[in-house]
Amino acid sequence: DQQVKQNSPSLSVQEGRISILNCDYTNSMFDYFLWYKKYPAEGPTFLISISSIKDKNEDGRFTVFLNKSAKHLSLHIVPSQPGDSAVYFCAAWRLETSGSRLTFGEGTQLTVNP
Amino acid sequence: NAGVMQNPRHLVRRRGQEARLRCSPMKGHSHVYWYRQLPEEGLKFMVYLQKENIIDESGMPKERFSAEFPKEGPSILRIQQVVRGDSAAYFCASSLRRGNEQFFGPGTRLTVL
Repeated sequence: DQQVKQNSPSLSVQEGRISILNCDYTNSMFDYFLWYKKYPAEGPTFLISISSIKDKNEDGRFTVFLNKSAKHLSLHIVPSQPGDSAVYFCAAWRLETSGSRLTFGEGTQLTVNP
Repeated sequence: NAGVMQNPRHLVRRRGQEARLRCSPMKGHSHVYWYRQLPEEGLKFMVYLQKENIIDESGMPKERFSAEFPKEGPSILRIQQVVRGDSAAYFCASSLRRGNEQFFGPGTRLTVL
């Protein structure tokens, strides 16, 4: 039961353009959504998050949009830089559950070409 | 201010052997989470521990897998009688409190021959 899905395994964009990474979820009980960035041979590092009561959160070049009715969120990176090339994971969280577990999507490999 | 540390970074085992993966959380963190990433997949939750207690092990296989987080020392994920399907990257994360941001270690890549 894949509750968080990233349907695009890869995305390639030119430096300076916008990167849009998408994520869909099925569990309407999720309270928080997060994006993690992962380089090869390293662990995921937190990038940006959004609470389920908001529809947008911005941090520098990174903006996350949440559409609760569509159960969809997206990460926008503007402008994209070659150093942004990595795997991006969408994750979701239910704060009140005992486990505080993160539920991850499959990841999208972003490649930013110089 | 060291981050989450995991060792070994790479571990090779033959089928039937035991694998022991260690995780030292960030200083001051008493909540530890283990995740597994199979090839071409996302990270899957396995177990959540707080010092000396298993809080949630619902993501862990019922057999051959166990985890502990003793009062002193690192958290240990133990896999007994490993099989080829156990080959994966195992990530540990820690947080200051339940519900706080989770910081991930670099992972242990287990290869079962």
